[in-house]
Amino acid sequence: EPEVTQTPSHQVTQMGQEVILRCVPISNHLYFYWYRQILGQKVEFLVSFYNNEISEKSEIFDDQFSVERPDGSNFTLKIRSTKLEDSAMYFCASSLRRGEKLFFGSGTQLSVL
Amino acid sequence: AQTVTQSQPEMSVQEAETVTLSCTYDTSESDYYLFWYKQPPSRQMILVIRQEAYKQQNATENRFSVNFQKAAKSFSLKISDSQLGDAAMYFCAYSSNAGGTSYGKLTFGQGTILTVHP
Repeated sequence: EPEVTQTPSHQVTQMGQEVILRCVPISNHLYFYWYRQILGQKVEFLVSFYNNEISEKSEIFDDQFSVERPDGSNFTLKIRSTKLEDSAMYFCASSLRRGEKLFFGSGTQLSVL
Repeated sequence: AQTVTQSQPEMSVQEAETVTLSCTYDTSESDYYLFWYKQPPSRQMILVIRQEAYKQQNATENRFSVNFQKAAKSFSLKISDSQLGDAAMYFCAYSSNAGGTSYGKLTFGQGTILTVHP
């Protein structure tokens, strides 16, 4: 079965630094998402992306966050100036069509020191 | 806003037996989807089963079935003939199907850790 790939699996950064989390969605998928899971807490929706623009975002997704699909294959999440509370597992997901199954990646564990 | 509640932080079951995981949700919408996701130690989220709210028939996928009670806003997962590989965190999730809303915006419950004893 095709997979969503996320790199790196672990990322450690200093508070205030910029990080970019990378995802390669399944090649023919059209809808892309980022979620995060702080340790011990619920999985939370961050943003959805379709047709090269954000279709919906949560309150968490403030000006420090941005997403991009720079080359038609990668889907990135950028955090401009990381905070301690950004430490979490970040999941990328994709789906072929609206209403169809989401495929999740294995996540990137971000640790902000 | 929609909320999803899983009141069982942990459950356990003997191999080959049946276990039911509970989930309740709150919404004012009539058209939506409900899901159960499995998260093994690898942390990848794997879709177990999906239910469309307009369908009265309960969804089934092999050993996994749901009991969807729309009026009660209840959506439980039954795992029959439990296997060691079923051990994982299980999340219940909700997605609106209202016009203009992204299907992929899932609202998750807190999760239930399922242990399977040999």
